Amino acid sequence: GEEVAQTPKHLVRGEGQKAKLYCAPIKGHSYVFWYQQVLKNEFKFLISFQNENVFDETGMPKERFSAKCLPNSPCSLEIQATKLEDSAVYFCASSHPELALVNEQFFGPGTRLTVL
Amino acid sequence: AQTVTQSQPEMSVQEAETVTLSCTYDTSESDYYLFWYKQPPSRQMILVIRQEAYKQQNATENRFSVNFQKAAKSFSLKISDSQLGDAAMYFCAYLTGANSKLTFGKGITLSVRP
Repeated sequence: GEEVAQTPKHLVRGEGQKAKLYCAPIKGHSYVFWYQQVLKNEFKFLISFQNENVFDETGMPKERFSAKCLPNSPCSLEIQATKLEDSAVYFCASSHPELALVNEQFFGPGTRLTVL
Repeated sequence: AQTVTQSQPEMSVQEAETVTLSCTYDTSESDYYLFWYKQPPSRQMILVIRQEAYKQQNATENRFSVNFQKAAKSFSLKISDSQLGDAAMYFCAYLTGANSKLTFGKGITLSVRP
């Protein structure tokens, strides 16, 4: 597609439940990034992929968070045993390798996760 | 570690006037990229303007321009002829290395008075 697609738009989970978010990058884009925007509006980088391989996972919480990008499937971000502090908007972005000189990342509309 | 600082949490501008949003950053890299993103209430992230550090010329996109001072590590955004639709949060962001992560400032809320 021509835009980064994220599903669902909104997700509500009780504390301790699992949450799974999906991202379909723009066709032809081989890099995928996940960012977390907490309610104070601050962005935190979580993880990035080059195709199905983890490229940078320095922002990924060691526990409870996992992510995958498998061939011919949307990328996913999964949070096991959600906590109140996981409430945030999760953005996915993608970039094209040949645009490396400008490094533009195209953002999806985000998934708002609310943990009750 | 690279940091991006937006020290003004809020600004207000009269419609049709000019406003400048400040951003400073800290890095030891010589080659990097700087961006301003707009985030309206819909939360969609919209790229406003980008600047490559190796370019001395300041980037311009219609009513938006930057003042890039590499030595001072400053990257301010000037919005001319402000419009009501410019009201949003604006984030300054930094990136180094091919396909690396964006590092964002805390953002600034811009309101436009009719």
